[in-house]
Amino acid sequence: QKEVEQNSGPLSVPEGAIASLNCTYSDRGSQSFFWYRQYSGKSPELIMSIYSNGDKEDGRFTAQLNKASQYVSLLIRDSQPSDSATYLCAVNTRYQKVTFGTGTKLQVIP
Amino acid sequence: ETGVTQTPRHLVMGMTNKKSLKCEQHLGHNAMYWYKQSAKKPLELMFVYNFKEQTENNSVPSRFSPECPNSSHLFLHLHTLQPEDSALYLCASSQDGAGGGADTQYFGPGTRLTVL
Repeated sequence: QKEVEQNSGPLSVPEGAIASLNCTYSDRGSQSFFWYRQYSGKSPELIMSIYSNGDKEDGRFTAQLNKASQYVSLLIRDSQPSDSATYLCAVNTRYQKVTFGTGTKLQVIP
Repeated sequence: ETGVTQTPRHLVMGMTNKKSLKCEQHLGHNAMYWYKQSAKKPLELMFVYNFKEQTENNSVPSRFSPECPNSSHLFLHLHTLQPEDSALYLCASSQDGAGGGADTQYFGPGTRLTVL
């Protein structure tokens, strides 16, 4: 089982819709969870971090964490074509080792 | 300059060349990282330095040699690389490795390396 798993996609959503990106992790001791956005040919850019169960909202983005089920998700409301990118889930599975998933490619269709 | 910078942004080298990648962070962080990102593969952690001490070497071949002279600078020395080493090499930094936000990593723009 991979430490951090994501569906590679592509996930296609129409402009204005809600995009839902999911990530599962294997280490129950994980404490820190991150979502990064990576445009083609560019470096990852931090979007959200979450550390406790529940929802965390920042503008159009909402991160959701459920430690009992070992999943973390990212919702993007009112999706825009500029949101088209690969979204990387990252989990701090043990001290000072952040493991990245393979990423989900999101396509927002105008 | 702000954030994390990397030089050069692009590098083409032959298999017998020796070159170095440089990373500098202006965030006051204590931990620095090297990652490799190949096409259609996930980020691969290569090395971790915390307070200038190497704390992780993820079974990286010896043709990659890291150097961390201080908490703000990180180098990756390259020697006799193979074509399969062609990739995007990313540097990142974090406050430290502890949780609660101190482990949030910020990435530089990367060096696109091509080995001929």
